Amino acid sequence: EIVLTQSPATLSLSPGERATLSCRASQIISFNYLAWYRQKPGQAPRLLIYAASTRATGIPDRFSGSGSGTDFTITISRLEPEDFAVYYCQQHSTYPFTFGQGTKLEI
Amino acid sequence: EVRLVQSGAEVKKPGATVKISCKASGYTFSDYHIHWVQQAPGKGLEWMGLVDPEKGDSVYAENLQGRVTITADTSTNTAYMELSSLISADTAVYYCAAGLGIFDYWGQGTLLTVSS
Repeated sequence: EIVLTQSPATLSLSPGERATLSCRASQIISFNYLAWYRQKPGQAPRLLIYAASTRATGIPDRFSGSGSGTDFTITISRLEPEDFAVYYCQQHSTYPFTFGQGTKLEI
Repeated sequence: EVRLVQSGAEVKKPGATVKISCKASGYTFSDYHIHWVQQAPGKGLEWMGLVDPEKGDSVYAENLQGRVTITADTSTNTAYMELSSLISADTAVYYCAAGLGIFDYWGQGTLLTVSS
């Protein structure tokens, strides 16, 4: 199974600042089949980025994804209040699909 | 509009079986796999498995093999997740999600509480 390790576990920033979250895989993720989700408290996760760098429908351009192989990053250029949540990366190149443990983005 | 509507909260005793439903609308049911994701209280997301509604095939996470069954009924556009031999550690919110590898659309979640 591919293990995804996210860092940092918690990131403390302010609205308007730039956030960079990382996801490292235990083996190469084929075709860069790496996605990112945001989960607000009490809600289901929402897809933000897929195929490492493609924004999902309706996701604003302040979100960007990059990386390949085993190292991936999501960057939020200017934090809005609704961005303070937990972020998960997920790989779908190999069964079982796996998630990282999450990064909590807090004010 | 794509919607996935899950059945309501459940309370079960250890050793029992639960079956949670996920009714899809707003798209062609056979176009997307239906996945199930577990989230224990205060914890992260764990993929449980998927069903391909078109073929009827399922794939399961290894740690749940033998305890979980995921099916789809194309006549009602509904997917089901059945979990047997429940233990307290199965207490969690269970989400269904639709997509091909990625989870484009999510249900609202179903809380399962396992307690004697």
